[in-house]
Amino acid sequence: QSVLTQPPSVSGAPGQRVTISCTGSSSNIGAGYDVHWYQQFPGTAPKLLIHNNINRPSGVPDRFSGSKSATSASLAISGLQAEDEADYYCQSYDNTLSGSVFGGGTKVTVL
Amino acid sequence: QVQVVESGGGVVQPGTSLRLSCAASGFTFSNYGMHWVRQAPGKGLEWVAGISFDRSHKDYADSGKGRFTISRDNSKNTLFLQMNSLSSEDTAVYYCAKDSRYCSISSCYPAYYMDVWGRGTSVTVS
Repeated sequence: QSVLTQPPSVSGAPGQRVTISCTGSSSNIGAGYDVHWYQQFPGTAPKLLIHNNINRPSGVPDRFSGSKSATSASLAISGLQAEDEADYYCQSYDNTLSGSVFGGGTKVTVL
Repeated sequence: QVQVVESGGGVVQPGTSLRLSCAASGFTFSNYGMHWVRQAPGKGLEWVAGISFDRSHKDYADSGKGRFTISRDNSKNTLFLQMNSLSSEDTAVYYCAKDSRYCSISSCYPAYYMDVWGRGTSVTVS
């Protein structure tokens, strides 16, 4: 069981907006640590998608956006495209575990 | 081109040891913390260990404490993960990843998010 909780799957039609939640606790997100998001296609390495809650690295489409509040964070994908079908992971730091923690991952399906 | 390339994976028997390596290029390796992240077959990502740019700080996930050792050779731009007492639960693809924060002074702490990932090396314990 992951320290950060994500829904196993979300789906949406092309063009729709989907959101992925990431729920933590007072030792990670709630302690003020930033949340980061990664995108992973089958058989490939993860790719940094959002860092420090809201920031997109160069080259990431602005369809992807992040937010954070209290003990949770969210990743939103607007204008969903077929190429967005992938697994998405949130990540933060946990001061009780003294290390990085990931969410269990969310599979995004484009209907 | 900024990249990291893992090697050293393979099929090993339970109870044995394995040493993974990660060769870095295209960036000043000695100024960045580094991490190992693994992914068991069909499962999610699990952070394994992290090391600061100057080796002064190392962290481990509970799953590897006492069995895994992360180290680095800044003169050779190489990261290592020594894994002992391996079990079937360690079967996974192991990724090497670069920390995002540039560090040049001893008080600099890794940012604990990864902006460059390798393709991974597969470890099977059976």
